[in-house]
Amino acid sequence: GEEVAQTPKHLVRGEGQKAKLYCAPIKGHSYVFWYQQVLKNEFKFLISFQNENVFDETGMPKERFSAKCLPNSPCSLEIQATKLEDSAVYFCASSQDLDGETQYFGPGTRLLVL
Amino acid sequence: SQKIEQNSEALNIQEGKTATLTCNYTNYSPAYLQWYRQDPGRGPVFLLLIRENEKEKRKERLKVTFDTTLKQSLFHITASQPADSATYLCALGDDTGFQKLVFGTGTRLLVSP
Repeated sequence: GEEVAQTPKHLVRGEGQKAKLYCAPIKGHSYVFWYQQVLKNEFKFLISFQNENVFDETGMPKERFSAKCLPNSPCSLEIQATKLEDSAVYFCASSQDLDGETQYFGPGTRLLVL
Repeated sequence: SQKIEQNSEALNIQEGKTATLTCNYTNYSPAYLQWYRQDPGRGPVFLLLIRENEKEKRKERLKVTFDTTLKQSLFHITASQPADSATYLCALGDDTGFQKLVFGTGTRLLVSP
C-alpha cells in the first residue's frame, strides 16, 4: 500500500500482560523502524529492519521487547509482561533506502498499561 | 551528554507572519537533519531534509538552514496560515550508517487568524 498501516489503533493491557503491535510498511520499502513516543513528544528509537533482518536493535529493551519482520507478513513488536512505563504511542516507519531517505510514519498504536 | 533542544513553549503568531523554529544540538555530528510535522493523534510527516554540507534548503513557504558550527538548524514558515498549526519536530540522522532518527522534543506552533 501507499501508507504505513498500524494495528491496533489503541491497546489496553493490565500490568504483566502481553502486548503485540503490527505494522505493514509501504510496499517496496526495504527498511522498517519502530519508535516509542512518550510524554512531551519524546521519541525513542527501538529497532530497525532491512527486509526481514534486524538492522539496528540498539534501542530495544531486550528483556521484554521483541520484534520481527517476516516475509509476506506484517512486522510485529511484542512486549512481554508489560509495565506501566511502557504506556506510550508506538510508531512504525518505513523507508525505501537509507542515507537520509524520508521515513514514512504510520498513525501509531497507543498502548495504555493499567 | 547528547541533547537536541527545541523550544518547549508553544510559539504563537498571527496569520501572514513568518514563524521561526529553532533546533539546537550538542554532542552530535549528524550527517543530515530533517524536519517533520506532527498533528495530534497522527504520525510525523516529513517536510524537509538538509545535509551537513548544505547551508539552506527551500520548499514552497518553508526554509531550513543548517549551521554545523553553531550546531543549529532554523525552520521558517513564511506567510503562515492557521492550517500550519501543529507540532514541528527536528530529527538528526546519525552518521553511524544505521540511519535511525534522533528526535527533538518538538515545538508547538499556533497560527491565529
